[in-house]
Amino acid sequence: GQSLEQPSEVTAVEGAIVQINCTYQTSGFYGLSWYQQHDGGAPTFLSYNGLDGLEETGRFSSFLSRSDSYGYLLLQELQMKDSASYFCAVRDPFDRDDKIIFGKGTRLHILP
Amino acid sequence: GAVVSQHPSWVICKSGTSVKIECRSLDFQATTMFWYRQFPKQSLMLMATSNEGSKATYEQGVEKDKFLINHASLTLSTLTVTSAHPEDSSFYICSASNPTGGAQPQHFGDGTRLSIL
Repeated sequence: GQSLEQPSEVTAVEGAIVQINCTYQTSGFYGLSWYQQHDGGAPTFLSYNGLDGLEETGRFSSFLSRSDSYGYLLLQELQMKDSASYFCAVRDPFDRDDKIIFGKGTRLHILP
Repeated sequence: GAVVSQHPSWVICKSGTSVKIECRSLDFQATTMFWYRQFPKQSLMLMATSNEGSKATYEQGVEKDKFLINHASLTLSTLTVTSAHPEDSSFYICSASNPTGGAQPQHFGDGTRLSIL
């Protein structure tokens, strides 16, 4: 089976940098993804890491270490609009329907 | 980019009512769609996988007779919550499998907030 662990809540100050960690245990691995979800909204795809290393997209970066079964999402220059829940997710490589398994989510609180 | 439309966005109805939620892929064909349920402050839980032209595959613990799924065309899947009760109140989200594959495997609808009185 697949399981992902991430902190339930993180608090940071506007303008600062925050890192959200994710560790996973999977029977197979097909990359780690990150999604953002604002209250009442649908999840929005942020990033994907299929190989080790850092992927950067604007203020957001995502890192993966497959040997450590670990990844993180880094948010820089935090803005109030970044207050949301962030989910790490994996795909099941043995599933013909390409299902996504989500972590429990990290609620990010931004303080002014 | 790929767009998935979900309707209605919110529903309030009496206990015992059946509610239908539609999920449409607007600019691509989706042979596979997914239905999720999300309770407040929790993660998305996959309920079922909907494949066009065949029966849906339900996750363990999801009652298939209560949550009826129909995927009659390559652009439309529907979820019907039959005889809904207050415990069925939740946020229901659909997604459609990305036909081009790549890093983003699914495109999500905006969700339906269901409140049963």
